[in-house]
Amino acid sequence: AQSVTQPDIHITVSEGASLELRCNYSYGATPYLFWYVQSPGQGLQLLLKYFSGDTLVQGIKGFEAEFKRSQSSFNLRKPSVHWSDAAEYFCAVGQHGSGNTGKLIFGQGTTLQVKP
Amino acid sequence: ETGVTQSPTHLIKTRGQQVTLRCSSQSGHNTVSWYQQALGQGPQFIFQYYREEENGRGNFPPRFSGLQFPNYSSELNVNALELDDSALYLCASSSTGTETQYFGPGTRLLVL
Repeated sequence: AQSVTQPDIHITVSEGASLELRCNYSYGATPYLFWYVQSPGQGLQLLLKYFSGDTLVQGIKGFEAEFKRSQSSFNLRKPSVHWSDAAEYFCAVGQHGSGNTGKLIFGQGTTLQVKP
Repeated sequence: ETGVTQSPTHLIKTRGQQVTLRCSSQSGHNTVSWYQQALGQGPQFIFQYYREEENGRGNFPPRFSGLQFPNYSSELNVNALELDDSALYLCASSSTGTETQYFGPGTRLLVL
């Protein structure tokens, strides 16, 4: 069965430090992969996505992620974290639809806290 | 370009009641998916609507039902509410042939 694992439930980094959030997936075919961010009480905002091609994808707000098929991973990175990046981050794998958009399977999320 | 909107933003119901949540899809999108997000959890897929028909369903009982209208907006209905139905309900819209879903702000439902 398809699944997504985010091993780190909570991460704290200092402002200006680099960040890496881990995501591992289980999926039988080439996955569609996403990272979303959720601020408290808000919906999900798409940060970036991977469908095919270049395994390093750039997203909004200075985030990037690298798809590693051999490790079934899609880790999110940012070179320098800002206090406004404090939020909940979700990794998701898209199940291929039969001509339509497939459903998303989410990880449990990683809460990012940023220290001043 | 208008994004995905949901109403109401918050709702309080009592156990056994029924509730209807509404979603307007982003301009140009014809597919709507609904997700339930319990506190501290990732969103879980409830179902998806395309061409006014249910097109895929997650592991939710039949008391969760939906509709899609000709303008692609959608409703989620939950009958016989249970305490465990308390959650943030998220709607996402997308276009046929794409795999990217855009989410609304959600409706927070509290069942007492």
